[in-house]
Amino acid sequence: EVQLVESGGGLVKPGSSLKLSCVASGFTFSSYGMHWIRQAPKKGLEWIALIYYDSSNKYYADSVKGRFTISRDNSKNTLYLEMNSLRSEDTAMYYCANEGQWGDYFDYWGQGVMVTVSS
Amino acid sequence: DIQMTQSPASLSASLGETVTIECRASEDIYNGLAWYQQKPGKSPQLLIYNANSLHTGVPSRFSGSGSGTQYSLKINSLQSEDVASYFCQQYYDYPWTFGGGTKLELK
Repeated sequence: EVQLVESGGGLVKPGSSLKLSCVASGFTFSSYGMHWIRQAPKKGLEWIALIYYDSSNKYYADSVKGRFTISRDNSKNTLYLEMNSLRSEDTAMYYCANEGQWGDYFDYWGQGVMVTVSS
Repeated sequence: DIQMTQSPASLSASLGETVTIECRASEDIYNGLAWYQQKPGKSPQLLIYNANSLHTGVPSRFSGSGSGTQYSLKINSLQSEDVASYFCQQYYDYPWTFGGGTKLELK
């Protein structure tokens, strides 16, 4: 059974940093690209970052480019999202998801971790 | 960026009814389209990929169709457990984008 478990969220002040983790199990983590997607309260879904299976390529949404960094450690089956210069508009539930076998859809999702940016 | 316009934004239907949700892309996405279901307080779950392929374990009352810029999700014989929000997503081109969602309620 595929499991993705996020952690590291919390309440932080604007301008601060936070690092999210996503531990994967139930599939060959090192063979799949991984994504971060977020959902602001009562809002829709926003894709924010992708990392290839071997970390050779990374892609970001314009809204987080230059502030967020996606990374992975295949030896630990763990995906990361380092978030700097946080803004109130970054307040959201953050989900990790693995890529699909046939394309960049999101096959399985974690339960999500809440990040609240507020003074 | 490819814009995804989903309709309706909300929908009320009776048990056993057939429901259709539409998604229109701002350009041809060549069937690079997925549908997700999100129940209240839960994370989204994949229903359909490649516009019409059913994800593992998804009931056969769900189906996807379409091509080019127009796609739809159909739910046959609506069940109470289908109450949820539904989102489409294009993965033809970066950045990957979602429709605004459809909230499905029981009448």
